[in-house]
Formats: sequence, structure tokens, C-alpha cells
Amino acid sequence: DQQVKQNSPSLSVQEGRISILNCDYTNSMFDYFLWYKKYPAEGPTFLISISSIKDKNEDGRFTVFLNKSAKHLSLHIVPSQPGDSAVYFCAASAVGGANNLFFGTGTRLTVIP
Amino acid sequence: GAGVSQSPSNKVTEKGKDVELRCDPISGHTALYWYRQSLGQGLEFLIYFQGNSAPDKSGLPSDRFSAERTGGSVSTLTIQRTQQEDSAVYLCASSPWVLYEQYFGPGTRLTVT
Repeated sequence: DQQVKQNSPSLSVQEGRISILNCDYTNSMFDYFLWYKKYPAEGPTFLISISSIKDKNEDGRFTVFLNKSAKHLSLHIVPSQPGDSAVYFCAASAVGGANNLFFGTGTRLTVIP
Repeated sequence: GAGVSQSPSNKVTEKGKDVELRCDPISGHTALYWYRQSLGQGLEFLIYFQGNSAPDKSGLPSDRFSAERTGGSVSTLTIQRTQQEDSAVYLCASSPWVLYEQYFGPGTRLTVT
């Protein structure tokens, strides 16, 4: 049973435009959310996170938005760059819960020059 | 400093054979995780080690899977009597005490023929 879902397996965006990657979760106990980026033949690398006490966290070109009532979060990349082309994984965890992260299936972002 | 390393990077084995996958975490990281990613799936949690505590094995899919962590550092994931459905990329991650920012290795791609 997939508790974290990324319903778009792929996304293509023109360089300079905004990329919006979406993630939905089902477990209301999740209170910490992360985005990881993965290049081929490499492990995922941490990108940005957000706690459930916030609804927005920004780091340079990357902003994560959290809508707790909708159990939805999104990652915005603006402006998108060709080097952003990768697979993006959403992950979630619950403080005091399992000692692991629950990952989505990933969205492959392609930024077209 | 060095990141998380895993070996081998690729492993092809015959159905029914045993395999061992190795993970060298970042020095000083007390937490170590094993995940696997099957084709078209998200990262699936397998097992978690934290310091000298008993590992959290709740994600291991069957008793053919086991893992050890010697001296609080290197970990070995063993799969006995491999099956074709074990084919996946096996990822190791480590983190300092803080749970959430996990640093991943490049993974071992296991193919069971």
C-alpha cells in the first residue's frame, strides 16, 4: 500500500520556466516531508524538506509547499535549468513513528534547453 | 570527505544462489538504512540500524533477507536463495543522529537470472 504517491511519472519543462512536481500522502501521522533528487547511477541526494508546522519552505530556486488538509505537497523549481533534469522523489516520515522514510515512486523531470 | 559507498555496483546471479551486498557509511554516522528500488517502484525500506540498538527489521520482505552491521560501521545485506523478484537496485543510506537527512550510496544493481 503506497502511502506516498507521485502520480506523474514524468514531466517536461522548457528551460527558464517553472517546474511543479506533486506528491500526495495518505497517512495523517506524517509530519516531516522531504524531496530527494536522483541522477542515473547515483543514489538520491537530499534537496529540501518541510515540517508540518510550516506550509512553505524556500531554498534558492527550490520551494516546497505543504497543504496538510489536502495531504498534498509540491516542489517548485524556478527558473528550471537543464541540470535539474533528474528523478525527484518525495518522502515522508512521522516523528516517533517508524525509523524510516516512505518514498513515492518518483517523477522524472526533463528540462529542455 | 567520502560519501556512502556500496559494493559491488552490479551483481548478476543465478536464481537460488546467495548474495552479499556491502555498505560503507559516512564515518561517524550512527544510523544506517537499506532500501531497495524495484523497476517502476519507489524506494522500499528494508532495515534500519541505529548505534548499538537492535535493528528495525520491519521492512525485510522474507526470512531470506538478513543484514548485519559490524562495529557500528560497515553493513552487509545478505539475500539467500535469490529469486527473480529480488532483482532491484539496493540502496544504502546513513545519517547522523538526525533521522531525516539521509545520505545515499550509489546503489547495487542486482539481477537474478
